[in-house]
Amino acid sequence: EDQVTQSPEALRLQEGESSSLNCSYTVSGLRGLFWYRQDPGKGPEFLFTLYSAGEEKEKERLKATLTKKESFLHITAPKPEDSATYLCAVQMTTDSWGKLQFGAGTQVVVTP
Amino acid sequence: GAVVSQHPSWVICKSGTSVKIECRSLDFQATTMFWYRQFPKQSLMLMATSNEGSKATYEQGVEKDKFLINHASLTLSTLTVTSAHPEDSSFYICSARGGGSHEKLFFGSGTQLSVL
Repeated sequence: EDQVTQSPEALRLQEGESSSLNCSYTVSGLRGLFWYRQDPGKGPEFLFTLYSAGEEKEKERLKATLTKKESFLHITAPKPEDSATYLCAVQMTTDSWGKLQFGAGTQVVVTP
Repeated sequence: GAVVSQHPSWVICKSGTSVKIECRSLDFQATTMFWYRQFPKQSLMLMATSNEGSKATYEQGVEKDKFLINHASLTLSTLTVTSAHPEDSSFYICSARGGGSHEKLFFGSGTQLSVL
């Protein structure tokens, strides 16, 4: 059974305190792994797509990496505006429409 | 970037009534749209995949007669919750994908439905 598991469920950070979020996946065939940011009462906002093991992508204080079993989202020197729920999702090669299967998310709170 | 507009942002209705939610791709043609449902502090659960001009494909456990999906054009998909009940109260989100691209799926801002 295809599964996407995110950890931790919640993370509280001091401003400037770097940390990593984990997304482990078990799928029959991975087309891509996506990271999104979601603010309360809003739809997800696209961050990154990773396609193959060893791939890395960066955007401001965020860096996403991918292995054959998991992905990490590193937050470097976070600021309060980085507070959000971070969702990872996988897209399988077995699906022709490109639908995403989401993990439960990691809620990040960054305090000044 | 591409914009997906979803309306309304929130709706309150009485039990037994029907509610329609619209999802529009504003600056690209969306051959495929997806409808998700999200309960508080839980992840997005895919309800159905909607392809322009054809019937929607529903995920297991989703009642197609209750959640009517119409994708009549390349820029508009609608979700109608028929005979809504309090247990249908949830956050509904649509996403859209342009033809030929798996790179990004753009999401609407979501609709909070409260059924009294």
